[in-house]
Amino acid sequence: QVQLQQWGAGLLKPSETLSLTCAVYGGSFSGHYWSWIRQPPGKGLEWIGEISHSGSTNYNPSLKSRVTISVDTSKNQFSLRMTSVTAADTAVYYCARRYDWNDRLDFWGRGTLVTVSS
Amino acid sequence: DIGMTQSPDSLAVSLGERATVSCKSSQSVLYNSDNKNYLAWYQHKRGQPPKLLIYWASTRESGVPDRFSGSGSGTDFTLTITNFQAEDVAIYYCHQYYTTPQTFGQGTKVEIK
Repeated sequence: QVQLQQWGAGLLKPSETLSLTCAVYGGSFSGHYWSWIRQPPGKGLEWIGEISHSGSTNYNPSLKSRVTISVDTSKNQFSLRMTSVTAADTAVYYCARRYDWNDRLDFWGRGTLVTVSS
Repeated sequence: DIGMTQSPDSLAVSLGERATVSCKSSQSVLYNSDNKNYLAWYQHKRGQPPKLLIYWASTRESGVPDRFSGSGSGTDFTLTITNFQAEDVAIYYCHQYYTTPQTFGQGTKVEIK
């Protein structure tokens, strides 16, 4: 069974950098795409971006200037970095597996609440 | 971006009855070359990650009870829950993966009447 375990700092100040990592256990790492999605309090889901095992990335244009997703295939991990955070970036951040290119999100991490507050 | 609009925002269903959630996309998510609708449905319970229920608009994910079904094509889609159970209380989201950025509906909260 595929499991995604995520971690990272949960409390940031405005202008700081958000950093989250997701480790993948079970299943193939190289055969899929790896995504980040967030959900602000009381709001819906927003796709942030994704990366392939080879490092090819796609980002939401609304966040692209501040977001970097990277992969470490030696550890079966991928990471999210978001610069210059504001209160609007307060959300639960989820990592997820995309089954294939242009395909569904079939396994999700449990989520990390990131709060941005001065 | 493809806009995804769900209706209703919330609904209350009696146990054993049927729940129907609608999702409309601002443009077609049917890819003509493979005749697939790039549309998924997720169940999201409080404190848990979203769970994939349906993909390709109507294919049930392994392990999902057959009381959950998806239908529709192009821009109009429906998630139906028959014989509604207490454990089905959740927020349900549709999701288009036809194009980047992927987008989600705003969610439909389904509760017990």
